[in-house]
Amino acid sequence: GAGVSQTPSNKVTEKGKYVELRCDPISGHTALYWYRQSLGQGPEFLIYFQGTGAADDSGLPNDRFFAVRPEGSVSTLKIQRTERGDSAVYLCASSPGVGDEKLFFGSGTQLSVL
Amino acid sequence: QKEVEQNSGPLSVPEGAIASLNCTYSDRVSQSFFWYRQYSGKSPELIMSIYSNGDKEDGRFTAQLNKASQYVSLLIRDSQPSDSATYLCAVGAYGKLTFGQGTILTVHP
Repeated sequence: GAGVSQTPSNKVTEKGKYVELRCDPISGHTALYWYRQSLGQGPEFLIYFQGTGAADDSGLPNDRFFAVRPEGSVSTLKIQRTERGDSAVYLCASSPGVGDEKLFFGSGTQLSVL
Repeated sequence: QKEVEQNSGPLSVPEGAIASLNCTYSDRVSQSFFWYRQYSGKSPELIMSIYSNGDKEDGRFTAQLNKASQYVSLLIRDSQPSDSATYLCAVGAYGKLTFGQGTILTVHP
């Protein structure tokens, strides 16, 4: 596609439920990133993939968060046992590859945990 | 100390003025530097990148980098109301970007 696509655009869930957020990067981009942004803050790094493998997952806040990119294209961010503090905009970005940190962002998924 | 810090703002300038946005970073390994613009309710949009010390100009935007002082700035000349947004400084190292908290810029007619 022309840009980074994220689905759903909005997700409302109840505390304790499981959610999956999907990201489809720009065609040909090998690096894919997940960030989280709370109101009034800059994006906070979660994890990035180079190809199928997680190159750096140091930003995942705890073991309730997990992300996969099985075929090196689409990625899914998975959050188990959601908490109200997980409410934020989850941003996905892609870049052409290693050494090119010029990120292009999708429109984000607004996650609300009630 | 935060890894990337931006002047707190909000910053308000009149239309036609120069807006100056500043950013400092802590990790000397950092090699790439970016400015993103984010309109309310939208995702960040890349407007400038800079990799070497000095100035880089693109239209009304000038990015300035001083690695010795660990300082990056963005100047917006002839500011327009459409420039009103949050400006995010981002610093690249180890394959990823670290963002500042953003500075809200308002350009009033």
